[in-house]
Amino acid sequence: KAGVTQTPRYLIKTRGQQVTLSCSPISGHRSVSWYQQTPGQGLQFLFEYFSETQRNKGNFPGRFSGRQFSNSRSEMNVSTLELGDSALYLCASSQRTSGAIMSHEQYFGPGTRLTVT
Amino acid sequence: AQTVTQSQPEMSVQEAETVTLSCTYDTSESDYYLFWYKQPPSRQMILVIRQEAYKQQNATENRFSVNFQKAAKSFSLKISDSQLGDAAMYFCAYSFYNQGGKLIFGQGTELSVKP
Repeated sequence: KAGVTQTPRYLIKTRGQQVTLSCSPISGHRSVSWYQQTPGQGLQFLFEYFSETQRNKGNFPGRFSGRQFSNSRSEMNVSTLELGDSALYLCASSQRTSGAIMSHEQYFGPGTRLTVT
Repeated sequence: AQTVTQSQPEMSVQEAETVTLSCTYDTSESDYYLFWYKQPPSRQMILVIRQEAYKQQNATENRFSVNFQKAAKSFSLKISDSQLGDAAMYFCAYSFYNQGGKLIFGQGTELSVKP
C-alpha cells in the first residue's frame, strides 16, 4: 500500500496570507490527524477528522481549520498567517471504525514545511 | 495535566551496544496506548513499538523492547545491538482509548550512534 502523502512538501508564504495543505491517507484509513511540529513547542495535536467530521481538536486558534472529503483526503487551512506558524505540519492516518479507533496506530506522512516571512 | 516527559534530550550509544531511553507520563485515565516513534533526519515519523496499558506483558519488536511500569507511569525503550540507522529523534507518546486520533508527545530524545 502507498503511504500517507502530503502536498506540497515545502511552502513559503508571507505574513497575513492564507495557506492550504493537503493530506491523502493510506488506502482504507478513514481517520486523519494533523500535528504541528516546532523546535520550541514540539509536536502538538491540531485536530482529527473521521467520516468528514472533526472528532478531536487541540488548543489552536480558529485560524487553523480543516476538512475531510468523502474519499478521506483531508485539507488543513491556516488563515492570516503569523511568523509563529512557521513549522513542519504532519498528517497521520489510522484505521477507525465508527465510534472507536481500531488500533490507535497512526502512520505519518513526510510533512509540509511551511515558512512564513 | 496530560503530559509526557522525556528527561534525556540527547543520548549516545556505541554501535552494537544497548541503550535505554526514558519516558514518564501523567494521566488519570486508565485506558490508553503508549508508543515510541522514531524521526530520522528525513523527518518521516516511523512507529517503532506500541503498548496497550491493559497488557502487563512488555511489547517487543525485534531489537526494540519496552519496560512498561503502569503504577510508576513509566515507559522506557530499550534498543539492543544498536545500528547506525537507529540514529534519530525518538518520541514517546500516548493516546486515550476514546481519543485514538490524538497523540500526546514528549519533547523527544536525540539518539546518536557511534561507529
